[in-house]
Formats: sequence, structure tokens, C-alpha cells
Amino acid sequence: SQQGEEDPQALSIQEGENATMNCSYKTSINNLQWYRQNSGRGLVHLILIRSNEREKHSGRLRVTLDTSKKSSSLLITASRAADTASYFCATAGGGSEKLVFGKGMKLTVNP
Amino acid sequence: DVKVTQSSRYLVKRTGEKVFLECVQDMDHENMFWYRQDPGLGLRLIYFSYDVKMKEKGDIPEGYSVSREKKERFSLILESASTNQTSMYLCASSFGYYSNQPQHFGDGTRLSIL
Repeated sequence: SQQGEEDPQALSIQEGENATMNCSYKTSINNLQWYRQNSGRGLVHLILIRSNEREKHSGRLRVTLDTSKKSSSLLITASRAADTASYFCATAGGGSEKLVFGKGMKLTVNP
Repeated sequence: DVKVTQSSRYLVKRTGEKVFLECVQDMDHENMFWYRQDPGLGLRLIYFSYDVKMKEKGDIPEGYSVSREKKERFSLILESASTNQTSMYLCASSFGYYSNQPQHFGDGTRLSIL
């Protein structure tokens, strides 16, 4: 399956610490995207990284992609309580034209 | 900013009813999507549309249909609602080739079928 799988499924940290979330997938991809979902709300797009890119930054977010290991990581630096949310990776490509979402992982940032 | 608006945040319907969920986007996006989200299962694609009057089945289209008569509006229809369709429904839109661009989501409709 092309579906990405986030790891860990849940992470609890203190405000100010860094949070690292990982995503593994099984087939080749064109791009990988990360989304955030606050409780009871829709998903918000964070970053898209294409298969020929290795790293992208956006504010406190850093995403890496290792296509040889079929994995990506999302790093949130200097976390804040407002970063508490579920995070999803989504992959596109590998013969499928649809964006396929992982099951998500829950980040809790304690004040 | 892109705005995707879903007509209801919460909806309660009865088994057997025909249910309409509406979604409107204001950015002239070609593509629109309907997902359902269930605990432990993540997001699953029901239907998507890449143009007016065009539609494609997603992974779980059974029991659903869609309508896209205008570019900005994408409707999800539950033909005869059943309890196993109780779920969170999310609408999204994007421009360009649909798997190469970010998707913009509405806030979801939490649907309960009694």
C-alpha cells in the first residue's frame, strides 16, 4: 500500500522542546505532504516536499525526505502549546493519482 | 486565504433518509474532494471531482454519490443513510494536477445517523 504510516502514534513533550515525527511509506512517490489537524477542525497543509528534494523549511518546521529509505520526518522546533494537534503525512505517486493519508499521530505539548 | 466552507458542523439524521452535505470553495479550484475520517482509520477518499460535472470514485464510494454543477460547489449525497455512515466528513479543494498540490480543507461535518 502507498499509505504512509506515522511514528510514533502519540508524543507528549514540554513546551520549548523539539518534536520529531516520522512517516514511512512503501512505494515510490512524487511528493509527500504534511498536514496538521486541531481537535474538531479540518486539516491544514504544512509542507509539500517533492521526490527530488531532500529538505524543506517553513518557520519552525523542517521536513526531510529520504527516498532510499522511503521515509520522511517532520521536526517542530521550540514547540508551543498551540502545536498540540494531530499530524498526518500524505503521499502521492507510485502509480496512484490520489493523495493517500496516513492514520495520523497525536502531539501534545504541555505548557 | 483559501476558504472551504461546509454547510453544517453537526448534523443528525435518521436511518433511510437521503442526506446532502454541501461544500463551497472560493478560490476557483479545479479539484474538490470528499473524505470521511474515522478513529483508527484515518482519512479515506469517497469521491473527487477535477472539473464541473466530472467525478471519480475514491476508495469507499459505496452508498454515496456526488454532484458538481458549479465549479465552486461539491455536494455529497448519502442515498439512504445507514448507521455505519456516522462519521466526520471533510471536504477539500486544490488547483492544478490534484496529487501535486496542497489540499485545503473545510472544518468538517460531524454526521450522526440514528
